[in-house]
Amino acid sequence: NFLLTQPHSVSESPGKTVTFSCTRTGGSIASNYVQWYQQRPGSFPTTVIYEDDQRPSGVPDRFSGSIDSSSNSASLTISGLRTEDEADYYCQSYDTSNWVFGGGTKLTVL
Amino acid sequence: EVQLVATGGGLIQPGGSLSLSCAASGFTVSNNYMSWVRQAPGKGLEWVSTIYSVGDTFYADSAKGRFTVSRDNSKNTLYLHMNSLRGEDTALYFCATRISMITFWGQGTLVTVSS
Repeated sequence: NFLLTQPHSVSESPGKTVTFSCTRTGGSIASNYVQWYQQRPGSFPTTVIYEDDQRPSGVPDRFSGSIDSSSNSASLTISGLRTEDEADYYCQSYDTSNWVFGGGTKLTVL
Repeated sequence: EVQLVATGGGLIQPGGSLSLSCAASGFTVSNNYMSWVRQAPGKGLEWVSTIYSVGDTFYADSAKGRFTVSRDNSKNTLYLHMNSLRGEDTALYFCATRISMITFWGQGTLVTVSS
């Protein structure tokens, strides 16, 4: 079993770059792929990054993902922030057949 | 286009049972990995259950022994049968599928467990 820990909230201005962290406790971050989901208020989640750093078609290249074994964490970076990026962002990985979610980070763009 | 529509939520008393449905279109349920994820009011996402294309099923500890995931291939629909419901099961329940390693989500259905 392992945990994924995310900061509770982040604020940044339009046009800037923001990076979310997702730190794994228990095992290596590289052991299982990490996904990132965006959930706008009142809506269902959508995938913005899968398999650590892959972007689904339709997701702008302003979104990028990576993993860092030295900090045992995954990161989601959004550049050129827009007001529509304001949402909750969740990281997720797999523990054998189980899904493990981070607690989510609320992004405020102001 | 992949679409998932979850229905069946509602108000149910503690100890009661409820079945959720997730109608799929744009892909074949029986050929894909399908999951249920829930979100309590104001809280984060919590995995509930997964069924593989071969039929293997997996459950979160909170769901084991009380929830059953199944599918009807003829209706291209996923189900979650929930028994012995508790207040802590109150949540928006989402269904999701993974196609080419990308997770697609549908809108949720709200389950409220209260007397």
